[in-house]
Amino acid sequence: GAVVSQHPSWVICKSGTSVKIECRSLDFQATTMFWYRQFPKQSLMLMATSNEGSKATYEQGVEKDKFLINHASLTLSTLTVTSAHPEDSSFYICSAYQTGFYRQPQHFGDGTRLSIL
Amino acid sequence: AQKITQTQPGMFVQEKEAVTLDCTYDTSDPSYGLFWYKQPSSGEMIFLIYQGSYDQQNATEGRYSLNFQKARKSANLVISASQLGDSAMYFCAMREGGNYGGATNKLIFGTGTLLAVQP
Repeated sequence: GAVVSQHPSWVICKSGTSVKIECRSLDFQATTMFWYRQFPKQSLMLMATSNEGSKATYEQGVEKDKFLINHASLTLSTLTVTSAHPEDSSFYICSAYQTGFYRQPQHFGDGTRLSIL
Repeated sequence: AQKITQTQPGMFVQEKEAVTLDCTYDTSDPSYGLFWYKQPSSGEMIFLIYQGSYDQQNATEGRYSLNFQKARKSANLVISASQLGDSAMYFCAMREGGNYGGATNKLIFGTGTLLAVQP
């Protein structure tokens, strides 16, 4: 079945550091990937839609300059949290949609737990 | 605007019993898809079941079934013969244009229901 790999699974870093998270579709092509953020005991909040070869579409309230998204190939999207601060600490999870298979679900990565000290 | 509502923040169920998790939705798009995901404490999102708005029958996947009542805009998840491993957070989600590949394909999630299965 379709697999999405997300790396790293866990990051601890100092305030002011930039952190890059990778999301890969391992056995299918995904022209569209999604980035979500989840606070403890809360639901997933869509941050942005990543489109291969074009600019990402950000949801209202999400800072584009803070959360940089690059989708350079059909199997890889990256989310960079720039100059991260403690309030950026959260669980970030990506998903990918297998193009042309509209009845299939989005396939999620295992998520990245980001802790900014 | 589309919206997903899960009114049960938490539920208990005895092992081997059935449990129903509620989900209602609101959309003006006649074409949409409804999904249920399970999220254990480890964090990964596990797809359980899908229902398309034009599907004639309720979806079933093993011990999971979806009680789809289109007129009431509800898509409740039924888990039969609960197991201890079913203890997790359960999210209902909707994708507009879900039947025919939609414009955005993004999912909107409900707030989730935490299910605890008791031995």
